Amino acid sequence: DSGVTQTPKHLITATGQRVTLRCSPRSGDLSVYWYQQSLDQGLQFLIQYYNGEERAKGNILERFSAQQFPDLHSELNLSSLELGDSALYFCASSVVYSGDEQFFGPGTRLTVL
Amino acid sequence: QQQVKQSPQSLIVQKGGISIINCAYENTAFDYFPWYQQFPGKGPALLIAIRPDVSEKKEGRFTISFNKSAKQFSLHIMDSQPGDSATYFCAASTGGSYIPTFGRGTSLIVHP
Repeated sequence: DSGVTQTPKHLITATGQRVTLRCSPRSGDLSVYWYQQSLDQGLQFLIQYYNGEERAKGNILERFSAQQFPDLHSELNLSSLELGDSALYFCASSVVYSGDEQFFGPGTRLTVL
Repeated sequence: QQQVKQSPQSLIVQKGGISIINCAYENTAFDYFPWYQQFPGKGPALLIAIRPDVSEKKEGRFTISFNKSAKQFSLHIMDSQPGDSATYFCAASTGGSYIPTFGRGTSLIVHP
């Protein structure tokens, strides 16, 4: 158990809908990262937050957004969902801004029908 | 553009054998090369990592070999065990950000 929690574990929704994925980092970790894992794209970095502020952006679509709250939990919002958004979404955390070890949560499996 | 190429896609090894997974990168600015292990239903977990100032790093049965001039690195799992059956990802990152670019993964099956 990495200490990173993600909810929900599974999410099934329809095209065009909006969903919110939640992540609680390990106790004491200030940095949160979001990743998407799919069969065709592999494991890709989406976005990083550090102590409430956005620090780095990867291959994140404009339909996706994220935030980190004062209690350090983070939410990833996915809107106008498409079939291709079906994937595993992982959250990871690290102690510092550029932590070399990231601890991954168990993931949220999103299925868009 | 795939910045980190990983092979093979899948690997079957007998218990006690050596598992070898190879990765090649293109960006010479990469300066941190971790390997992650992922079991079904779980998130990736850092297994071992290397920086380009050394050519080899060993932790237990796991060894990373690094060839800076060839821009290649590999993971060797000695005395492979059924419990090592998992998907392995190589990755590379730059300039202190430690945000990894992942390879496509290798599914390892170790037969008892």
